[in-house]
Amino acid sequence: AQSVAQPEDQVNVAEGNPLTVKCTYSVSGNPYLFWYVQYPNRGLQFLLKYITGDNLVKGSYGFEAEFNKSQTSFHLKKPSALVSDSALYFCAVRDEGNFNKFYFGSGTKLNVKP
Amino acid sequence: GAVVSQHPSWVICKSGTSVKIECRSLDFQATTMFWYRQFPKQSLMLMATSNEGSKATYEQGVEKDKFLINHASLTLSTLTVTSAHPEDSSFYICSAVRDRRSYEQYFGPGTRLTVT
Repeated sequence: AQSVAQPEDQVNVAEGNPLTVKCTYSVSGNPYLFWYVQYPNRGLQFLLKYITGDNLVKGSYGFEAEFNKSQTSFHLKKPSALVSDSALYFCAVRDEGNFNKFYFGSGTKLNVKP
Repeated sequence: GAVVSQHPSWVICKSGTSVKIECRSLDFQATTMFWYRQFPKQSLMLMATSNEGSKATYEQGVEKDKFLINHASLTLSTLTVTSAHPEDSSFYICSAVRDRRSYEQYFGPGTRLTVT
């Protein structure tokens, strides 16, 4: 079965510092991995995805993620956090063999303090 | 491009009534749409997969007769919560797939349902 795990419920960083939001995955086939961000009472916004190719994926708003096959991880990173980055972040994996459904992690609340 | 809308954005209804939520892909055709439910401070729970012109596929534990899904066209899917009860109060989010190759999902802004 496909699944993703986000081990941290919350991450706190100071503005200007680098941030990392962790995600590990478990898939039976090729990993198709995604990161989404959700602001209060809003739907999810796409940040980036890994399908194939370079392990370092660059996405929207200065975010990037590193795919690590040996560690089955897909951590989200940003070199310099902004207060406006404060939101809920979800990692997701696509299940190729099951109607291409997405399975979402439990979410990580990112708090960036001024 | 790839904009998905939901209507209404919020709705309050009385227990026992039915509520219909619309999900539209505004600038692309979506053969597949998904419906999710999100409880406060929790992740998204997939309720069903909606394919245009065919019956929806429901996840285990989701009542088909309570959550009616219709995908009548390539740009519209509807979720009807029948005989709503307070425990159905939640944030409902739809998503649509634009590109079969990447199967990237584009999400609607969500609908807040409150059943009194």
